Amino acid sequence: QSALTQPASVSGSPGQSITVSCTGTSSDVGDYAHVSWYQQHPGEAPKLIIFDTSSRPSGISHRFSASKSGHTISLTISGLQTDDEADYYCSSYVRDRGLVFGGGTRLTVL
Amino acid sequence: EVLLVESGGGLVQPGGSLRVSCAASGFSLSNYWMAWVRQAPGKGLEWVANVNQNGDDSNYVDSVKGRFTISRDNARNSLYLQMDSLRPDDTAVYYCARDFGWGSYSPLWIFDFWGQGTLVSVSS
Repeated sequence: QSALTQPASVSGSPGQSITVSCTGTSSDVGDYAHVSWYQQHPGEAPKLIIFDTSSRPSGISHRFSASKSGHTISLTISGLQTDDEADYYCSSYVRDRGLVFGGGTRLTVL
Repeated sequence: EVLLVESGGGLVQPGGSLRVSCAASGFSLSNYWMAWVRQAPGKGLEWVANVNQNGDDSNYVDSVKGRFTISRDNARNSLYLQMDSLRPDDTAVYYCARDFGWGSYSPLWIFDFWGQGTLVSVSS
């Protein structure tokens, strides 16, 4: 059972904005700064899109943003594009457990 | 260009052993914590293990402790995962991943580069 809870799926139309939530506890998201988000297209390796809760690696579009409120972190994708259709995973370090991933959210671009 | 290329996956019987490898290029492995992450068919990501720059500090997810061993050969710029006493629920694509922190004493638990993965199937 993942320590981080994500919705199984979200959807949106091209040009719209969507938000994916990732809810943890005081032991992970609430306590640890290095929370990340990964994008994974079918058949491909995951790709880091957000680190340290809200920072973007070089080369990642500004359409991807993230924030944190309490024990919940949220990924927002604005100006949805068909290529954004993928699985999205949050992750956080958990003391005595190592790195924990959320269960993943499938984004469908309608 | 940073590249991570896994190899060594395959079909193995329950109780058997397998070693998967990850060849790194485009950077010096010796400066980074490295990790293995796996993904069972149709399932989510699961961190498996990580190892520090010198290979003398490592961490494992509880489900593989005592069965898997992560190691590295910095001279060969390679990372390894020795998997013993394999079980059917170890079936997964195994990804090699680089931890974000250059020269960091502790892992940052952020993976900025990933390989394409190698499939390990455990079945009789």
